[in-house]
Amino acid sequence: DVKVTQSSRYLVKRTGEKVFLECVQDMDHENMFWYRQDPGLGLRLIYFSYDVKMKEKGDIPEGYSVSREKKERFSLILESASTNQTSMYLCASSLFGPIPRWAGYQYFGPGTRLLVL
Amino acid sequence: GQQLNQSPQSMFIQEGEDVSMNCTSSSIFNTWLWYKQDPGEGPVLLIALYKAGELTSNGRLTAQFGITRKDSFLNISASIPSDVGIYFCAGPSMNRDDKIIFGKGTRLHILP
Repeated sequence: DVKVTQSSRYLVKRTGEKVFLECVQDMDHENMFWYRQDPGLGLRLIYFSYDVKMKEKGDIPEGYSVSREKKERFSLILESASTNQTSMYLCASSLFGPIPRWAGYQYFGPGTRLLVL
Repeated sequence: GQQLNQSPQSMFIQEGEDVSMNCTSSSIFNTWLWYKQDPGEGPVLLIALYKAGELTSNGRLTAQFGITRKDSFLNISASIPSDVGIYFCAGPSMNRDDKIIFGKGTRLHILP
């Protein structure tokens, strides 16, 4: 059974704190993604990675950075958390390839609900 | 950039009713995907469509890939309480197709 796990389901942090959100997948997928989900805005891509140590900015990368030191692990870092980063954060993974049949199958983790006070 | 517009944004229906929702874009998509997100969980892929005109079913769910390749439809027949959630349409970016673009979702509420 395929699995994407996220380190925390709920997290409360203070403004200015450095925050690490961890995501691990056990499917040997090349691609990994970080999204944030806000009411009325849907899923917005923050960063994605198509290989170890490789990353690309998504649509809303400002205020975030990422790290992919191992294939199975993709971390999202909030260098200095702010209240407008309160959100649901979703990690996903997929196989790499130009064939849409593979790439479309993104497997999501359960999400981390982050509250920044 | 590419955008997917879903309608309606939310729906309130009675248990047992059929549901229809759609997704449109100003640009062509070569693949259409429908995901469902249960409350408190991550989205899960329901149906993938690869060819214009294609009609695909998954249990009580049926999705169609529009002929123009600019739209797709999802129907749910005889809704049950566990159908509650957010339904997202999605498709691969034209710039790199392992990057998926998501619509904003249709939130389905079912009244007892």
